[in-house]
Amino acid sequence: AQRVTQPEKLLSVFKGAPVELKCNYSYSGSPELFWYVQYSRQRLQLLLRHISRESIKGFTADLNKGETSFHLKKPFAQEEDSAMYYCALGNAGNMLTFGGGTRLMVKP
Amino acid sequence: DARVTQTPRHKVTEMGQEVTMRCQPILGHNTVFWYRQTMMQGLELLAYFRNRAPLDDSGMPKDRFSAEMPDATLATLKIQPSEPRDSAVYFCASGPGGQDNEQFFGPGTRLTVL
Repeated sequence: AQRVTQPEKLLSVFKGAPVELKCNYSYSGSPELFWYVQYSRQRLQLLLRHISRESIKGFTADLNKGETSFHLKKPFAQEEDSAMYYCALGNAGNMLTFGGGTRLMVKP
Repeated sequence: DARVTQTPRHKVTEMGQEVTMRCQPILGHNTVFWYRQTMMQGLELLAYFRNRAPLDDSGMPKDRFSAEMPDATLATLKIQPSEPRDSAVYFCASGPGGQDNEQFFGPGTRLTVL
């Protein structure tokens, strides 16, 4: 069975501080990992996916198969980064398994 | 810029009433998903369609919930009868399917059952 774990429900940092949102997964196949972001009362939108290996809004995430992790990082948090972040794992059947989400609060 | 649309955006109803939520997936997408989002449970998958055929509705309470795709441009989620514990935001998402697992989400329907 596949599973995604985001151990922190809430992460609070000051503006300009580094941010790391943790995501661990369990999956027997070849994983495809995503990070989605949901700003207040808006739809979920794709932030990045591991196969594209790009940086969006200063965020990066590296797939570590040894540690089964896909942590989301940003060196300097901005207030506009405050949102809910979901890590998700895709399977061959086009379904996504979502983690419980981490609410990021960036304080001024 | 193609987007998934959902109606209504907000719905307040009384316990026992029927609720119907509608979703228009992105044209050309052949997978459609319904999710429920609550503070306590996060995002829960309720139903999944591929090429309009239901593939997985194991997350959906069968006695009161039903999901259908009457055609490729419309997906519906019905609750009958509604209960206060159904209060949540319901999201529809669609995806291109095939080798691409990305899902595109609609704006959600915020349901309040009194």
